[in-house]
Amino acid sequence: AQKITQTQPGMFVQEKEAVTLDCTYDTSDPSYGLFWYKQPSSGEMIFLIYQGSYDQQNATEGRYSLNFQKARKSANLVISASQLGDSAMYFCAMREGLGRTGNQFYFGTGTSLTVIP
Amino acid sequence: GAVVSQHPSRVICKSGTSVKIECRSLDFQATTMFWYRQFPKQSLMLMATSNEGSKATYEQGVEKDKFLINHASLTLSTLTVTSAHPEDSSFYICSARDSGGAWNEQFFGPGTRLTVL
Repeated sequence: AQKITQTQPGMFVQEKEAVTLDCTYDTSDPSYGLFWYKQPSSGEMIFLIYQGSYDQQNATEGRYSLNFQKARKSANLVISASQLGDSAMYFCAMREGLGRTGNQFYFGTGTSLTVIP
Repeated sequence: GAVVSQHPSRVICKSGTSVKIECRSLDFQATTMFWYRQFPKQSLMLMATSNEGSKATYEQGVEKDKFLINHASLTLSTLTVTSAHPEDSSFYICSARDSGGAWNEQFFGPGTRLTVL
């Protein structure tokens, strides 16, 4: 089974509007972390936001927020007030074993976001 | 934030030659580094986990004799693609964890684009 599922291969959003990128995950480990990364055409992976499985509140980082619904195993990324520079690939990732060393990241297949002027 | 560098950023080589890619943590010590491969418009696929001073752990389906990994110091891991062929052309990304840092921190290098002619 896929550890991370992103069902939106491509998304379009009007500049200054908000957009939600979907991510669901699968794990039996009660301790895990969820991450979102942005990958522009240059290829670098830019960390956006992190949510721990025990965190009570949804994570927020500037215009980014993570809508964490633990029972549904979803961790959707919300980008508010989209900007042209937000156009990029977005990857959801999970790491199991909160606090344990060496555990790998599992990445979703990504969502290509295009911001329309 | 912490910085991970990769060298070279881009390399073109002839089929049958070997290529070495370096991954360095510039301002922190990394006992564990990860090597990923990303084909165009696809997700990052973990190739191997590199542990300082010990043998790398390879993911299923990754040929350890073809992709040689050496993690000789706490700040440097190298990936050598031996006898490269056109199908090895890909984007290779490393990531590193700060040994003394938070569990949720993992820093990615800018990637190396390998083209085998």
